[in-house]
Amino acid sequence: GQNIDQPTEMTATEGAIVQINCTYQTSGFNGLFWYQQHAGEAPTFLSYNVLDGLEEKGRFSSFLSRSKGYSYLLLKELQMKDSASYLCAVVEQTGANNLFFGTGTRLTVIP
Amino acid sequence: DADVTQTPRNRITKTGKRIMLECSQTKGHDRMYWYRQDPGLGLRLIYYSFDVKDINKGEISDGYSVSRQAQAKFSLSLESAIPNQTALYFCATSRTGSYGYTFGSGTRLTVV
Repeated sequence: GQNIDQPTEMTATEGAIVQINCTYQTSGFNGLFWYQQHAGEAPTFLSYNVLDGLEEKGRFSSFLSRSKGYSYLLLKELQMKDSASYLCAVVEQTGANNLFFGTGTRLTVIP
Repeated sequence: DADVTQTPRNRITKTGKRIMLECSQTKGHDRMYWYRQDPGLGLRLIYYSFDVKDINKGEISDGYSVSRQAQAKFSLSLESAIPNQTALYFCATSRTGSYGYTFGSGTRLTVV
């Protein structure tokens, strides 16, 4: 089976840096995704990590440690538009290779 | 036009009614999925299909059925809707060999 844990809610200040953590337990692993989802809208792709280390993409970075079952999403220079839910999802290592999602972290950016 | 289109965007229906949610895509992807999203529970997989002749149950398939009418079309049916099926429903697509999903804009379904 699979289990993904991430904080339910976080609040951060505009211009600051915030780190959203995700821990997972899976019977197999084929990579980890981060998606951004604004309220009532579709999730949109942010990052994909399959190897250990940090992937940087503009203001967003994602880190993976496979041995620890741990990932984080780092958001720099926060903007008000970054207020959204951030979904951690792992690729099941089964024949289907479907995505299994965590419950998401709702981030609120305050002035 | 959106790559993955869901219709309707919003629907209110009565308990016991049959309802169909439709999804069509222009991505050319072979894999299609239906998820539901509830507050505090995240996205949960209902059904998935890897091609027209392949349909598989997901985590929470009870009370739902699907039809893959063509590679580009995948519909979800609630044969007899009940209030706890009130949720936001997402269709998603992917290509074999690639793990990333493209999501539709969602259908907000309310069963009263």
